Amino acid sequence: DAGVTQSPTHLIKTRGQQVTLRCSPKSGHDTVSWYQQALGQGPQFIFQYYEEEERQRGNFPDRFSGHQFPNYSSELNVNALLLGDSALYLCASSLWGLRTTGELFFGEGSRLTVL
Amino acid sequence: SQQGEEDPQALSIQEGENATMNCSYKTSINNLQWYRQNSGRGLVHLILIRSNEREKHSGRLRVTLDTSKKSSSLLITASRAADTASYFCATAPPGAAGNKLTFGGGTRVLVKP
Repeated sequence: DAGVTQSPTHLIKTRGQQVTLRCSPKSGHDTVSWYQQALGQGPQFIFQYYEEEERQRGNFPDRFSGHQFPNYSSELNVNALLLGDSALYLCASSLWGLRTTGELFFGEGSRLTVL
Repeated sequence: SQQGEEDPQALSIQEGENATMNCSYKTSINNLQWYRQNSGRGLVHLILIRSNEREKHSGRLRVTLDTSKKSSSLLITASRAADTASYFCATAPPGAAGNKLTFGGGTRVLVKP
């Protein structure tokens, strides 16, 4: 039973560039959430996708966008990178609505460094 | 913004001792969860307690929830070196269809052999 997988594990970008991070949810899950975790901080909710639509969004600018594909995998895109975007980006999967157990299953994250 | 705040921010104990950490939150919740994170890796779910529950056990873990005080505690008994990690509380709001969790800043636990 495959868990949540994320790619790439590490990447380095320069200010102003764009980045795409990818996530495959745990087998059987249909909901993907993205979190940003700065060094020494707790994860912050970016947004959540279900049925290929953004369902909830945290307090992040429009530079952060996402997509969910028919196979439930998801991408996180960040445009016009800033130094402050350097963080661990975590993908989490779950089931939607009443089918959920409430817990999230996390991937190992993508470590983004912006120079 | 972060809903939960953990206390203490860091904790150092000897193997075999108990570790207790606390979490306070601000708004109504559906449930409160605790997660563990090893050194910059992914988070692992430990335990979930619903708003109508007061105490829950899982192995060496004991979680309490006091909704009147908007606080929770996590107790790890007979700690091991492998328990060295950061521990985060996370709250889920009532009524939401998706599992949008709001995390606290975490407690960093060091268990010395």
